[in-house]
Amino acid sequence: EPEVTQTPSHQVTQMGQEVILRCVPISNHLYFYWYRQILGQKVEFLVSFYNNEISEKSEIFDDQFSVERPDGSNFTLKIRSTKLEDSAMYFCASSGTGGRNEQFFGPGTRLTVL
Amino acid sequence: GDSVTQMEGPVTLSEEAFLTINCTYTATGYPSLFWYVQYPGEGLQLLLKATKADDKGSNKGFEATYRKETTSFHLEKGSVQVSDSAVYFCALLGLGGSQGNLIFGKGTKLSVKP
Repeated sequence: EPEVTQTPSHQVTQMGQEVILRCVPISNHLYFYWYRQILGQKVEFLVSFYNNEISEKSEIFDDQFSVERPDGSNFTLKIRSTKLEDSAMYFCASSGTGGRNEQFFGPGTRLTVL
Repeated sequence: GDSVTQMEGPVTLSEEAFLTINCTYTATGYPSLFWYVQYPGEGLQLLLKATKADDKGSNKGFEATYRKETTSFHLEKGSVQVSDSAVYFCALLGLGGSQGNLIFGKGTKLSVKP
């Protein structure tokens, strides 16, 4: 069964460093998403991506963040100059047709900023 | 704005016990409602969904009914198993935008003891 994969499973970085979180969505999907969950808090929407551009983004997704689909398979989230409060679990998701259809989630990347 | 509130965990039950995890929502219009489950070390998986009032979603013995009058979508299972131990997330599909951004509750951790 096709699945969304994410690497790495755990990333530790120093404050101020840049990190890139990687996702491989399901191969025929067209809509891609990033969510995050700070420990003990809600899963929060960050950004959605379609047709090689951002469709929507939340207030959390400021200039520190960027997304890219550098090739036909990967979908990346870059966080520039990480802050302590960026420590969270980051989930990637993809959907075949967007809208009200099911989003398939990856296992997440736990980011720890020291 | 739209939001989801679900009961705090953790919930610990014995095998074959009855499960209820409460979920209420605040939203404009008529959102779609979802329950996602996260097994240890895995991503979020869609458990069930309901797209309009009075719909009942069901899967793997779990059920939830979309109650517009009480703005609720409580998850129930008549007889839980050890394999049901996981974190359960209630979510709604925000109506803003076209790509469908999920709004999640905090999650409820369920532990089922043999």
